[in-house]
Amino acid sequence: QSVLTQPPSASGTPGQRVTISCSGSSSNIGSNPVNWYQQFPGTAPKLLIYTNTQRPSGVPDRFSGSKSGTSASLAISGLQSEDEADYYCAAWDDRLNGHYVFGTGTKVTVL
Amino acid sequence: QVHLVQSGAEVKKPGASVKVSCKASGYTFTNYAIYWVRQAPGQGLEWMGWINAANGNTKYSQKFQDRVTITRDTSASTVFMELSSLRSEDTAVYYCASITGTSADWGQGTLVTVSS
Repeated sequence: QSVLTQPPSASGTPGQRVTISCSGSSSNIGSNPVNWYQQFPGTAPKLLIYTNTQRPSGVPDRFSGSKSGTSASLAISGLQSEDEADYYCAAWDDRLNGHYVFGTGTKVTVL
Repeated sequence: QVHLVQSGAEVKKPGASVKVSCKASGYTFTNYAIYWVRQAPGQGLEWMGWINAANGNTKYSQKFQDRVTITRDTSASTVFMELSSLRSEDTAVYYCASITGTSADWGQGTLVTVSS
């Protein structure tokens, strides 16, 4: 039972911009940094964005993150076929005494 | 460079327990907590708990509080996750991960199948 809500799917054509939302509450997104993960079938998740907006080394700059209040967003600009994957937001939750919670996940399809 | 290697796939009967290991290398083992996350077939990621590798303190998801135990062996730089009273719904890939404010490194995953 995820406490962070994402749309189940998103899609776009190559070159388009796709945005994925992540809705939480004051105890998680509202008071803690948000991470975003990318996952391909059969593989472990990979960190895409940390601390709301930061990209680890090697992550293309077409991926960007933002946060406002109790919601966060991941944007993919210049969508490419290799971006077709599942995306999850995540944050620590103070109400749950330091638990780490994941979003419900969004499947991005490149049309 | 954090590197996490997990033990191999397991097949268990309902009611049994499973213990999955996660061996860490490439960094000072006691510097980071190790998280356990599972993913049932076709489902999303689910956090189970974590252990402070330095002092052994643990925190568990309420969902698994009564059935999961996470321990560590500092001499072997290894963390263990034991899940008891297995049921078919526990069939999943179990991941260990080192998650900090600025990084996240994951093991390769361990498939646990619960079937009679």
